[in-house]
Amino acid sequence: ILNVEQSPQSLHVQEGDSTNFTCSFPSSNFYALHWYRWETAKSPEALFVMTLNGDEKKKGRISATLNTKEGYSYLYIKGSQPEDSATYLCASPGSGGYQKVTFGIGTKLQVIP
Amino acid sequence: NAGVTQTPKFRILKIGQSMTLQCTQDMNHNYMYWYRQDPGMGLKLIYYSVGAGITDKGEVPNGYNVSRSTTEDFPLRLELAAPSQTSVYFCASSGVLTYYEQYFGPGTRLTVT
Repeated sequence: ILNVEQSPQSLHVQEGDSTNFTCSFPSSNFYALHWYRWETAKSPEALFVMTLNGDEKKKGRISATLNTKEGYSYLYIKGSQPEDSATYLCASPGSGGYQKVTFGIGTKLQVIP
Repeated sequence: NAGVTQTPKFRILKIGQSMTLQCTQDMNHNYMYWYRQDPGMGLKLIYYSVGAGITDKGEVPNGYNVSRSTTEDFPLRLELAAPSQTSVYFCASSGVLTYYEQYFGPGTRLTVT
C-alpha cells in the first residue's frame, strides 16, 4: 500500500448501533497513525495518536486499534449517537519525511435518529 | 492559547486577482502546513514548512506561494486567482512531541468567480 486508504467512504447507521471502519497505511518504516474527527463546516480535530503495534486507545464510546505489521487501524464507535455524525480521517507520515503527513479521504458517518 | 488562527473566514475573488491568506499559531510549533479541501477529494497538501525560512511544495503547489519569516506565521499567497482555486483552505501546525499530530485552523472559504 503506497497511500493511506480508508473504507468505507460513507456509512449510515441507526442510533444505538455500533460501527467500525478501516484505515490502511504503508507498513514499512511506520512512525505514527493519527485519527481525526471532522464535523461539517468545522476543522478536523485530533482523536488519537497511535504509535505502537497492538496499541488500543479509547475516548468515551470511540476506540481505535493498530496493527503496524499488516498496516491497518480500526476505529470503533459503540452505541452511535447523532452527534457522532462526522467524517473520520486517518493520517500517516509519508515518504517525504515524518513531518509530511498523508491523509486518507475519510469515512463519512451519518447516524440516523 | 488561541491555537491556529486564520483570516479571513470567507472571501470572494474575481479571476486574476491576488490575495494572501493569513495563518498564525501560538504553540511554538516548528511545522506548519496549508491544505485545500475539495469535495470528495479529502485534504490535499499545498505547501509546508519545517521552520522559519524553510518551505517546500506539497501535492498541489501550482498557483500558490508561501513564506515563513517567523515561527508563528505562515501566509499563503494566491497569484492570479482562477476558478480552480475555489476551495476551503486549512492551515495547520504540528510538533515533534505529538508525533506531528496536526492542529487545524478554522479554515478560509474562498470563491473565485
